Amino acid sequence: DAGVTQSPTHLIKTRGQQVTLRCSPKSGHDTVSWYQQALGQGPQFIFQYYEEEERQRGNFPDRFSGHQFPNYSSELNVNALLLGDSALYLCASSGRDRFSGNTIYFGEGSWLTVV
Amino acid sequence: QKEVEQNSGPLSVPEGAIASLNCTYSDRGSQSFFWYRQYSGKSPELIMFIYSNGDKEDGRFTAQLNKASQYVSLLIRDSQPSDSATYLCAVRNNQGGKLIFGQGTELSVKP
Repeated sequence: DAGVTQSPTHLIKTRGQQVTLRCSPKSGHDTVSWYQQALGQGPQFIFQYYEEEERQRGNFPDRFSGHQFPNYSSELNVNALLLGDSALYLCASSGRDRFSGNTIYFGEGSWLTVV
Repeated sequence: QKEVEQNSGPLSVPEGAIASLNCTYSDRGSQSFFWYRQYSGKSPELIMFIYSNGDKEDGRFTAQLNKASQYVSLLIRDSQPSDSATYLCAVRNNQGGKLIFGQGTELSVKP
């Protein structure tokens, strides 16, 4: 049973560029959430998708956008990259029933460095 | 006031001892509480979740929840050097909602 998979693992981008990160949820899960974790901090919620729609959004600018596909996989897009966007981007997978809704698993993350 | 607060540590305990990690939260409407372990350079791993007052045990780990005091803790019995990591507390105020994390407590277990 595959867990949550994310790609790419590491990437380096230049200020002003755009980046797309990808996530496939754990089998049986249909909800994907994205988090940003800066060094030494806890993860910060960006947004959540299920049924191919953004359901909740954290305090992030519109430069951060996402998408969910019919197979429940998801993308996170960040436009006009800033140095401060350098962080670990985490995808979290969960389901809708009480158990799978509480067994929230993270992927290995995508390390983004903006130079 | 931060929504979820943890002592950043580091908390140092000898091998075989009980490690006690604490977390307080500000939203009385919080319904579910989570503990994650994060090794340096890795992603968070779910240890356990709890949503009822009292204790919940899973192997060497026990989560304790006191909603009246807005306090949740994690006890690690028989601590091992491999338990050395950052422990993240997270809360959620509704089923399916976002997780709100504390900044994490660094635990060091000395052989």
